[in-house]
Amino acid sequence: SQELEQSPQSLIVQEGKNLTINCTSSKTLYGLYWYKQKYGEGLIFLMMLQKGGEEKSHEKITAKLDEKKQQSSLHITASQPSHAGIYLCGADTSNSGYALNFGKGTSLLVTP
Amino acid sequence: GAVVSQHPSRVICKSGTSVKIECRSLDFQATTMFWYRQFPKQSLMLMATSNEGSKATYEQGVEKDKFLINHASLTLSTLTVTSAHPEDSSFYICSARDGGSPLHFGNGTRLTVT
Repeated sequence: SQELEQSPQSLIVQEGKNLTINCTSSKTLYGLYWYKQKYGEGLIFLMMLQKGGEEKSHEKITAKLDEKKQQSSLHITASQPSHAGIYLCGADTSNSGYALNFGKGTSLLVTP
Repeated sequence: GAVVSQHPSRVICKSGTSVKIECRSLDFQATTMFWYRQFPKQSLMLMATSNEGSKATYEQGVEKDKFLINHASLTLSTLTVTSAHPEDSSFYICSARDGGSPLHFGNGTRLTVT
């Protein structure tokens, strides 16, 4: 099965600082998805990456997928307390758009 | 955008009883829905795939007689935890796709078995 490793496990940054979360797969990714979760709540879709070298941005969050399609990074610029939560990367388990396998998540805390 | 609604958000039940969790796709039809389980500070683990009009597909290690899944319509899947025990306490979350869209998730159900 596809293994997804996320790093770091947790992160505490000061408001205004930039940060990066990484997601590495043991296999080629058919699709890589980034979600944000508040504790005890559902997952909010952030971005989807499918092509090698692809990069997408939404507000202050940028996600990239490397050319080999085995590693993705999520970068937050000028972090705010509203960015706090758990960030999860998910990958298509096949190229048929089936269920997603998830990494263990990165817990982000943004301090004033 | 696609909305997935899950109910209840929290439930407390006594050991030995059964609990039903509903997952609805509000503005789209979902022939397939996915049920996940999440332990504290752990990732989401896929439990089963719910297929409309047919039997669910369970992941290895998930007891199908323990976690009953019914997908009777294109907008509703239910997960019933039968004869619940404290070790079944967890966060259960469903998801579905609207065509080729990303997976959309419900808000989850926090189950506590006393």
